[in-house]
Amino acid sequence: AQTVTQSQPEMSVQEAETVTLSCTYDTSESDYYLFWYKQPPSRQMILVIRQEAYKQQNATENRFSVNFQKAAKSFSLKISDSQLGDAAMYFCAYRTQGGSEKLVFGKGTKLTVNP
Amino acid sequence: ETGVTQTPRHLVMGMTNKKSLKCEQHLGHNAMYWYKQSAKKPLELMFVYSLEERVENNSVPSRFSPECPNSSHLFLHLHTLQPEDSALYLCASSQDSSFGNTIYFGEGSWLTVV
Repeated sequence: AQTVTQSQPEMSVQEAETVTLSCTYDTSESDYYLFWYKQPPSRQMILVIRQEAYKQQNATENRFSVNFQKAAKSFSLKISDSQLGDAAMYFCAYRTQGGSEKLVFGKGTKLTVNP
Repeated sequence: ETGVTQTPRHLVMGMTNKKSLKCEQHLGHNAMYWYKQSAKKPLELMFVYSLEERVENNSVPSRFSPECPNSSHLFLHLHTLQPEDSALYLCASSQDSSFGNTIYFGEGSWLTVV
């Protein structure tokens, strides 16, 4: 069974600083997608960034970037120049084909941004 | 505004009541999903619909009954629920159900069963 582990229940960062959120996953598949979602207090789950497993280049979206280590099954999220609006729960998720093709989520990391 | 809207945003119901959650997507997608988010647990997939056909029923109790009348609308009918069913219920959609497509979520419906 595929599992996603986020080992940091909570993290904090100073405004304008950089923070890295960890995620590891367990799979026997070779082709899959990885995602980071953000859930602010409004509870809406918002896509932050996605990574195709067959692409070696790490995905980047403005201040958000990932460090994808396929052999280590690691998919960390780096937030640069943190802003107050970045405060939220962050969920790492994994999706593969075959069977249900469902999105499997980690338990989340609560990020606090201090002014 | 995400293109996926859910109503009601908050619902309190008794264990003997019958109620429904509604989801509508304005993205032209063909797949829709119901997820359950409970405290301190990962999101759990409940149902997947693709082109209005249910393609996934993730061992969900029969007191939850989904309905997808067309590709833009998804309902979750609730009856004789238990207090442990209290949670945030998230609707989502994607272009189709294949794994390469990004899933977009609504803002959720908070359900409290008393």
